[in-house]
Amino acid sequence: DQQVKQNSPSLSVQEGRISILNCDYTNSMFDYFLWYKKYPAEGPTFLISISSIKDKNEDGRFTVFLNKSAKHLSLHIVPSQPGDSAVYFCAARIDFGNEKLTFGTGTRLTIIP
Amino acid sequence: NAGVTQTPKFQVLKTGQSMTLQCAQDMNHNSMYWYRQDPGMGLRLIYYSASEGTTDKGEVPNGYNVSRLNKREFSLRLESAAPSQTSVYFCASSENRGNEKLFFGSGTQLSVL
Repeated sequence: DQQVKQNSPSLSVQEGRISILNCDYTNSMFDYFLWYKKYPAEGPTFLISISSIKDKNEDGRFTVFLNKSAKHLSLHIVPSQPGDSAVYFCAARIDFGNEKLTFGTGTRLTIIP
Repeated sequence: NAGVTQTPKFQVLKTGQSMTLQCAQDMNHNSMYWYRQDPGMGLRLIYYSASEGTTDKGEVPNGYNVSRLNKREFSLRLESAAPSQTSVYFCASSENRGNEKLFFGSGTQLSVL
């Protein structure tokens, strides 16, 4: 049972445009959400996170939006750059002190120059 | 600053063989983790160590053992490898238990024939 779902395995976006990556979850107990970015032959790296008490968190070109009623979060990258080409994983946690992060299956983002 | 270092990067085993995956971090983090990544499954937690001297099971612990040798090192052992353990294994660390910002190693690609 996949509690965190990334339904788009891949996404291609023109350089300079907005990239929107989506993530849906089924467990209403999740209270913290994260995005990780992964380049080939490297481990994932933390990108941005959001607490369930917020609906938006921004860090430079990256913004994460959370819609709790829809159990949906999205990552916006504006403007998209070639270096953003990577696999993006969303992840969720139930509560503080809980080591278990539940990861989605990932979306491969390709930025077209 | 190396961060999280995993060895080996690649390994091929025959069914029934044993091996140990090594992981070391130089960030003075208290918590360490082992994940596996399989196609279409996302990353799944195998074992974790919230602090030196403690280890606990994650989501998919069967067939694995771990040792938190000291604060820096956390090893993962496959006693009798099975084809179902073919996967990419990632070690990660975090400053403290419940700190969701994980730092990952570059992974070990393991094939069990």
